[in-house]
Amino acid sequence: EPEVTQTPSHQVTQMGQEVILRCVPISNHLYFYWYRQILGQKVEFLVSFYNNEISEKSEIFDDQFSVERPDGSNFTLKIRSTKLEDSAMYFCASSPGGRGETQYFGPGTRLLVL
Amino acid sequence: EDKVVQSPLSLVVHEGDTVTLNCSYEVTNFRSLLWYKQEKKAPTFLFMLTSSGIEKKSGRLSSILDKKELFSILNITATQTGDSAVYLCAPRGNTGKLIFGQGTTLQVKP
Repeated sequence: EPEVTQTPSHQVTQMGQEVILRCVPISNHLYFYWYRQILGQKVEFLVSFYNNEISEKSEIFDDQFSVERPDGSNFTLKIRSTKLEDSAMYFCASSPGGRGETQYFGPGTRLLVL
Repeated sequence: EDKVVQSPLSLVVHEGDTVTLNCSYEVTNFRSLLWYKQEKKAPTFLFMLTSSGIEKKSGRLSSILDKKELFSILNITATQTGDSAVYLCAPRGNTGKLIFGQGTTLQVKP
């Protein structure tokens, strides 16, 4: 069964460093999402992406964040200058098409900013 | 502001028990509500509900939505230890983003 994959599974970085989290959505899916979950808190929406552009972003998704689909398979989340409070589990999700469809989640990347 | 409240926050039962998990929501331009199971990492999809009063069923799990009263329930019958997980409710408005509740942690003891 096709699934969303994410790399790396864990990343440790120093405050102020740039990180890139990678996702391979399910093939033929058209909508892509990033969510994050700070330890012990709710899963929070960051951004949605369709047709090579951002469709919606939350207030968390400030200028330090960016997303890109550099080729036909990868979908990346970049944090330019990480802060301690960026430490969280980051989930990528994809859906086949349309805002009403089921979103399938990847296993997540655990980011720790020291 | 959109709001999702799940109850109870945690629950401990014994194998064979039946549990009911609750989710109440206030979401602008509500379109659908999804339930996920989160064990160690990724939320895995259980149900998507769009219409009131129509029960969705998958094995021992079932779910229903009440759009008038703005809530949904997830039932698990004959619980097994493998049902131990965090169950997440995530309604959605017309923009596509999921708005998650804080989850219900279910522990099923042998």
